[in-house]
Amino acid sequence: AQKVTQAQTEISVVEKEDVTLDCVYETRDTTYYLFWYKQPPSGELVFLIRRNSFDEQNEISGRYSWNFQKSTSSFNFTITASQVVDSAVYFCALRGLSGYSTLTFGKGTMLLVSP
Amino acid sequence: DAGITQSPRHKVTETGTPVTLRCHQTENHRYMYWYRQDPGHGLRLIHYSYGVKDTDKGEVSDGYSVSRSKTEDFLLTLESATSSQTSVYFCAISEGPWRDENNEQFFGPGTRLTVL
Repeated sequence: AQKVTQAQTEISVVEKEDVTLDCVYETRDTTYYLFWYKQPPSGELVFLIRRNSFDEQNEISGRYSWNFQKSTSSFNFTITASQVVDSAVYFCALRGLSGYSTLTFGKGTMLLVSP
Repeated sequence: DAGITQSPRHKVTETGTPVTLRCHQTENHRYMYWYRQDPGHGLRLIHYSYGVKDTDKGEVSDGYSVSRSKTEDFLLTLESATSSQTSVYFCAISEGPWRDENNEQFFGPGTRLTVL
């Protein structure tokens, strides 16, 4: 069975602070994909990134960066110099490749960025 | 943005009534999914479809049925709605099977359902 744990239920920061959202996963699959989605107050789910389990290279996209560590089964997401528009619920998700393995989501971390 | 619409966007109904939610896509993607989102639970898969008339159960399928008679439409039916089915329902699509490399799911805008 797959499991994704986002231990941080809610995080509050002040604008321009850096913030890291934690994601820990469990899977028996040797090949799998990890994802991050953003859900702003408007409610839609926005795809942010996909990471293959064979690719442990960290990725940076503007103010966003992702740190994938297979040894600790973690896929953490850092926002540098946070902005009010970053306020949203962020979901980490996992998809394995065995059988008809589907997407398993964590429960989400609500990020509130204050001006 | 992926062309995914959901209807209705909001619905209030009474316990025991049937409810059908519609997901429509213009991307011609083969795979479609229904999730529900509840506080403290994140998103949970209800049912999914891997082609026309091909569907399977997800994690929380009890009390729900689905149908897919056309590539573009995926219907979710609550045969007899209960208050525990009050939730936000999201439809998602993906181009290929989960084994494929570039197979992220894209989500519709959601339907807020309230069962009184």
